[in-house]
Amino acid sequence: GQQLNQSPQSMFIQEGEDVSMNCTSSSIFNTWLWYKQEPGEGPVLLIALYKAGELTSNGRLTAQFGITRKDSFLNISASIPSDVGIYFCAGPNRDDKIIFGKGTRLHILP
Amino acid sequence: NAGVTQTPKFRVLKTGQSMTLLCAQDMNHEYMYWYRQDPGMGLRLIHYSVGEGTTAKGEVPDGYNVSRLKKQNFLLGLESAAPSQTSVYFCASSYSRLAGRAYEQYFGPGTRLTVT
Repeated sequence: GQQLNQSPQSMFIQEGEDVSMNCTSSSIFNTWLWYKQEPGEGPVLLIALYKAGELTSNGRLTAQFGITRKDSFLNISASIPSDVGIYFCAGPNRDDKIIFGKGTRLHILP
Repeated sequence: NAGVTQTPKFRVLKTGQSMTLLCAQDMNHEYMYWYRQDPGMGLRLIHYSVGEGTTAKGEVPDGYNVSRLKKQNFLLGLESAAPSQTSVYFCASSYSRLAGRAYEQYFGPGTRLTVT
């Protein structure tokens, strides 16, 4: 079935650095969603993308809908300690059900 | 607005016991969902509902039942719990397809269930 592959699985960065992560699929998606999950909490929607090529920002976060419609990217600028968490990409599959990637776990070193 | 709430937050069951997880939302959303999250597996859809009185199966429905008697509530039942159902369960809700934002889901804080 359709899958979303996220990379990297885990990242260790210094506070203040920029972060880049991506999500890819072998099939086309018409919508891409990015969520953040903090320990002990439910996922929180960060950004929703609806058009190929679309670039959308939410504060220090910027996400892009890839031109091929098979990938999406999330960037975080000037990371701070509260950015720690797991970042999930998601999108509707052929059955119109949302599927999730396995996440990128972000660690920030002081 | 409380958003999406879930009760209980934690529960330990013995194999074969039954329980019901309750989800409530106060955003007047049409759609509601139940997911489970296991380490390294991401979120997987168990059941969902597109409106009061409707339910449908998701990716991993076996061993679970659901009911949506009121628009704001979505119940997840385990009739005979098994250790394989040890997981964190999340409820979510969203607007309908007609409202154009059906894919933007709002999640509750989760229920951590352990089956021994």
